[in-house]
Amino acid sequence: QKEVEQDPGPLSVPEGAIVSLNCTYSNSAFQYFMWYRQYSRKGPELLMYTYSSGNKEDGRFTAQVDKSSKYISLFIRDSQPSDSATYLCAMRGENNNNDMRFGAGTRLTVKP
Amino acid sequence: DARVTQTPRHKVTEMGQEVTMRCQPILGHNTVFWYRQTMMQGLELLAYFRNRAPLDDSGMPKDRFSAEMPDATLATLKIQPSEPRDSAVYFCASGLAAGGRVPNEQFFGPGTRLTVL
Repeated sequence: QKEVEQDPGPLSVPEGAIVSLNCTYSNSAFQYFMWYRQYSRKGPELLMYTYSSGNKEDGRFTAQVDKSSKYISLFIRDSQPSDSATYLCAMRGENNNNDMRFGAGTRLTVKP
Repeated sequence: DARVTQTPRHKVTEMGQEVTMRCQPILGHNTVFWYRQTMMQGLELLAYFRNRAPLDDSGMPKDRFSAEMPDATLATLKIQPSEPRDSAVYFCASGLAAGGRVPNEQFFGPGTRLTVL
């Protein structure tokens, strides 16, 4: 079993829909939870991050972390065709060593 | 506009040939990562450097892969001999061990798309 599980999709939604992307993990030492967005034929870019549990909102994007369930989510409101990309969750522990783990990525298409 | 650059962007080669991929990290960054991305395995860490010293290369097949940082502005990933199963997109990322929005935030390059026939 991988440390970070993410449904690869693909996920296809109409424009304006609310999108929910999720990851589960097994390592309770993870403290930083990140979402990367990767457009086709580009490198991943950090979209949002959350430290420990709780919610964080940035425009149409909301990241949620539930450490008790080892479950994180990214919500996209009023989805746009420009949101079409692969979304990768990533997480790491408190220390500064390289213990970051990525999910497989969920491929999202928002249709006009 | 600071960004990680990678060359070549695309590489097609035949099995058995040597492949060298290059990465120029963002100026001032002291950590460099090499990843491999495939549909089946997702993003896999191959090697991690801090201050040019290799700290973790456990994800790299040692018999054919090697990673080096000849200087602070250049990181290389070499495959010799290459095999069809090495076909993937190889990403380089750089960061600041003590900085970024997230500690050691990683900034990715555009990747090298490798096809081994």
